[in-house]
This record gives sequence, C-alpha cells and structure tokens, in this order.
Amino acid sequence: AQTVTQSQPEMSVQEAETVTLSCTYDTSESDYYLFWYKQPPSRQMILVIRQEAYKQQNATENRFSVNFQKAAKSFSLKISDSQLGDAAMYFCAYRRPTGGGADGLTFGKGTHLIIQP
Amino acid sequence: NAGVTQTPKFRVLKTGQSMTLLCAQDMNHEYMYWYRQDPGMGLRLIHYSVGEGTTAKGEVPDGYNVSRLKKQNFLLGLESAAPSQTSVYFCASSYSIGEQFFGPGTRLTVL
Repeated sequence: AQTVTQSQPEMSVQEAETVTLSCTYDTSESDYYLFWYKQPPSRQMILVIRQEAYKQQNATENRFSVNFQKAAKSFSLKISDSQLGDAAMYFCAYRRPTGGGADGLTFGKGTHLIIQP
Repeated sequence: NAGVTQTPKFRVLKTGQSMTLLCAQDMNHEYMYWYRQDPGMGLRLIHYSVGEGTTAKGEVPDGYNVSRLKKQNFLLGLESAAPSQTSVYFCASSYSIGEQFFGPGTRLTVL
C-alpha cells in the first residue's frame, strides 16, 4: 500500500518570505499523480498544485511550485512571497493511475502553516 | 455550477441512531468518494464508486454503507452510530484521472 509522510507538523514563516513544505511517499508504481491540497479554517479542501509522475518538469502555479524528485520519492511544496491568506493546513496526496480513480487519494497527516505578519 | 455539495453540514447523533449523508455533484464525474478526517490525521477513504450502481470499500469501511443509485449522488449511511464515528466527513468527485473536487464537509458528533 502507498504511504505519504509529512514530517513537519507545523511550520512558521514571515509574511513575504519563502517556505518549503516536505512530503515523501512510498510506492512501487512507476506512474502516478501527486497533489498538494490546502485546508483553511473553513475546512474546504482546495487544490493547490498537481504533478504527474511521468513529467520531469516541476509544476508551478503562480507563487506555488514543487520540487519533484522521483527517484527519492520526494515532493516538496515551495510557497514564495508568503501571504496571510496562505495560512492553513497543507496536505500532500498520492493517487494511483491505474483503474482511474479507483483507490482514491492517500493523504499525509498535514503541515500546519503559520504566517507571521 | 455548485460543484460538490453535502447535506447536512452538522449533525449530532446518539449512540445507536442511524443517519444518511448526501453528496451531490453537478460536474458529470464518474468517480465519487467518501472520506473521514480525524484530528491530526489526513483524510482516509471510507468507500468509493466508479460509476452509477457500483461501490467499493476503501481503507476504513467498517460501520458504513454507501449507495450510488444516480450518477450525481453518493449516499453514506451509518446504521448504528458509535462515538468512534465522530469525525468530519468529506465527499469528493473526479474524472478517471487527475484531481478530486471536494465538498465542504459534514461535522458529525456521536454522543
């Protein structure tokens, strides 16, 4: 079974600074999807960024980018120019490719990101 | 376009009572999922469906049943609620590949 590990229960960063959240995963698959979801206090799950394992290029979405290291099974999220609205729980998630969405997402336990004004 | 909606948003049950959570999506997604989220944990998959009339067990299925009679709806049932089922429940839907879209969650407390 796949596992996803987020080793940082909590991170704190000054507004406008850059922060990196770590995620490692374990899988025997060669093709899969990885995601970062944000969960603010409203508890709504919001997709931040996605990465297909077959793509070598790291995904970017505005101030959010990932460092995908397939051999190391590492998938970190970098947030540049941190804003107060970025404060939330961040979850790393893994999805198998075969059978479509059959097995759902496997989530890490999350990192609580605090933005200091 | 409402996306994924869940009913109700909050519920309090007594041990042994039953209830059904309703999830609806208007994105014509084939796949639908039920997750639970407990404090300090990520979401864990309860049951899922890959199409109308089909359901399958996820990681933590015990104590729950599901039905997918219509493509746009996915129901989660608790036949005899237990305090261990106190949690926040999320429904999600997706196409066959890519990201899942989540509902706003239902906070359930079992006394």
